[in-house]
Amino acid sequence: AQTVTQSQPEMSVQEAETVTLSCTYDTSESDYYLFWYKQPPSRQMILVIRQEAYKQQNATENRFSVNFQKAAKSFSLKISDSQLGDAAMYFCAYRSAGGATNKLIFGTGTLLAVQP
Amino acid sequence: DTEVTQTPKHLVMGMTNKKSLKCEQHMGHRAMYWYKQKAKKPPELMFVYSYEKLSINESVPSRFSPECPNSSLLNLHLHALQPEDSALYLCASSQDGAGQGSSSGNTIYFGEGSWLTVV
Repeated sequence: AQTVTQSQPEMSVQEAETVTLSCTYDTSESDYYLFWYKQPPSRQMILVIRQEAYKQQNATENRFSVNFQKAAKSFSLKISDSQLGDAAMYFCAYRSAGGATNKLIFGTGTLLAVQP
Repeated sequence: DTEVTQTPKHLVMGMTNKKSLKCEQHMGHRAMYWYKQKAKKPPELMFVYSYEKLSINESVPSRFSPECPNSSLLNLHLHALQPEDSALYLCASSQDGAGQGSSSGNTIYFGEGSWLTVV
């Protein structure tokens, strides 16, 4: 079975600084997708960034980028120029390729605080 | 703005009540989901509806009953709930289908959630 581990329950960053959230996963599959979701206090789950396992190039979305290390099964999220609105719970998630019945497997989350 | 719409945003119900949570997606997706989320925990999958077929998480109690009137709607009927069922209920959808190999097709998009309190 696949598992996702987020070893940092809480992180803090100063506004305008850079922070990296860690995520590791375990799988025997070769075809899968990885995601970072953000959940602010409003509790809506918002997609931040996604990565296909077959792509070596790291995904980027504006101030958000990932460091995807497939052999190490690591998928960290880097937030540059942190803003107050980035404060939220961040979930790393794994999904096998191939169909709706494949579950989205979440890590336990990292609560990010942004200090002004 | 999310294209997965959930109503109501907040619901308070007694243990003998019957109520429903409603979800609609406007993206032409073929799969829809209900998740339950307790405070400071990740969401847990309850039901998946894909290509006219409902997949049920066997651990979900029968007091939760999903209904899919059409491919863009997924309701969750609630009956005789317990206080421990109080949680955030998230609806989601994805394009998923046979042969879908794209990341966008495999991405699950969430609604804003429905806060449920059972008293």
